[in-house]
Amino acid sequence: EPEVTQTPSHQVTQMGQEVILRCVPISNHLYFYWYRQILGQKVEFLVSFYNNEISEKSEIFDDQFSVERPDGSNFTLKIRSTKLEDSAMYFCASSLGQGINQPQHFGDGTRLSIL
Amino acid sequence: QQQVKQSPQSLIVQKGGISIINCAYENTAFDYFPWYQQFPGKGPALLIAIRPDVSEKKEGRFTISFNKSAKQFSLHIMDSQPGDSATYFCAASYSGGYQKVTFGTGTKLQVIP
Repeated sequence: EPEVTQTPSHQVTQMGQEVILRCVPISNHLYFYWYRQILGQKVEFLVSFYNNEISEKSEIFDDQFSVERPDGSNFTLKIRSTKLEDSAMYFCASSLGQGINQPQHFGDGTRLSIL
Repeated sequence: QQQVKQSPQSLIVQKGGISIINCAYENTAFDYFPWYQQFPGKGPALLIAIRPDVSEKKEGRFTISFNKSAKQFSLHIMDSQPGDSATYFCAASYSGGYQKVTFGTGTKLQVIP
């Protein structure tokens, strides 16, 4: 079964540094998402991306965050100047379509640790 | 209004017993209610989902009950097994929101032999 793959599985970064988290969505999917999960808390929506532009973003997704689909297979999340509170598990997801019968498939996440 | 409330936070069930997790929502625009199962070190995986025009959906040992008037829904796991031990998230989304999924706070289920 096709999977969403994320790299790296664990990223350790100094506060203030830029970090790029990478995702390869399922190949024929058209909608892409980033979520985060702070340790012990619920999964929170960050951003959705369709047709090479952001379709929706949460209040968490401020100017420090950006997303990009640099080629036909990768989907990236960039945090420009990391803060301690950015430490979390970041999940990428993708879906084939927008309808209610088009579930989102999640990757196994990247654990981001900010020192 | 965007929140999905979930209880209990943790649950211990004997093997063979019934696990019940409850959720409530406020936003009546939600029109899709999935449940996700998450094992340690893994991403959430879709378990079962329901639309608000259906009161119950069953897939194997997993059943969602949906009460539209009360804005509540629940997951029942029949004949719970140790392999069901995981964190379960209820969630909600609406068609007009590019399927942004709003998650509940999660329930850590432990099924003991």
